[in-house]
Amino acid sequence: EAGVAQSPRYKIIEKRQSVAFWCNPISGHATLYWYQQILGQGPKLLIQFQNNGVVDDSQLPKDRFSAERLKGVDSTLKIQPAKLEDSAVYLCASSFTYRGPHEQYFGPGTRLTVT
Amino acid sequence: AQSVAQPEDQVNVAEGNPLTVKCTYSVSGNPYLFWYVQYPNRGLQFLLKYITGDNLVKGSYGFEAEFNKSQTSFHLKKPSALVSDSALYFCAVRDPNDYKLSFGAGTTVTVRA
Repeated sequence: EAGVAQSPRYKIIEKRQSVAFWCNPISGHATLYWYQQILGQGPKLLIQFQNNGVVDDSQLPKDRFSAERLKGVDSTLKIQPAKLEDSAVYLCASSFTYRGPHEQYFGPGTRLTVT
Repeated sequence: AQSVAQPEDQVNVAEGNPLTVKCTYSVSGNPYLFWYVQYPNRGLQFLLKYITGDNLVKGSYGFEAEFNKSQTSFHLKKPSALVSDSALYFCAVRDPNDYKLSFGAGTTVTVRA
């Protein structure tokens, strides 16, 4: 079974530039998550999709971050404009569904450095 | 609100010795509890979970975890650590009435040969 795919793996941009990350979840997984992991901290949920609908985006900085999962499969997370404090690893995860005790499966992450 | 605490930033053990990584949680109901491991430049990998039933849960790579409701703890254990177990370990909790997974800050495990 193929795992969660993410690209790019690394990205360096200057502040005020824009950047986009892509994620393809495990086939058949209805729920897709985007997390931000700052060095020395645990992952923090940014947004959660069930199929192509948003379940929770309460911690997404909507003035600069956006995400979509138009066809209920792969997803894109965008930051525009980036700030220095956005430097982090962005993790995508998927699960069969968000209801019940299903574990999440994580991709390798995208390490973003904003200079 | 739910939360997780991992009281130790780092755990150092010798290869072959027992390994314990501590986790305590706070949640309003009966929790779902998870352990994940993260190797350098990799995503998180699922190790094991507690849903209900037997307090001792067995997972991948020889790891197990003990759920203690009275102490609100879910410590990760391995009877004999390997150098390859050196990694960053995260405990996570979810209230069954919610859908968010809350992670601890992580514990770095170093196993020396």
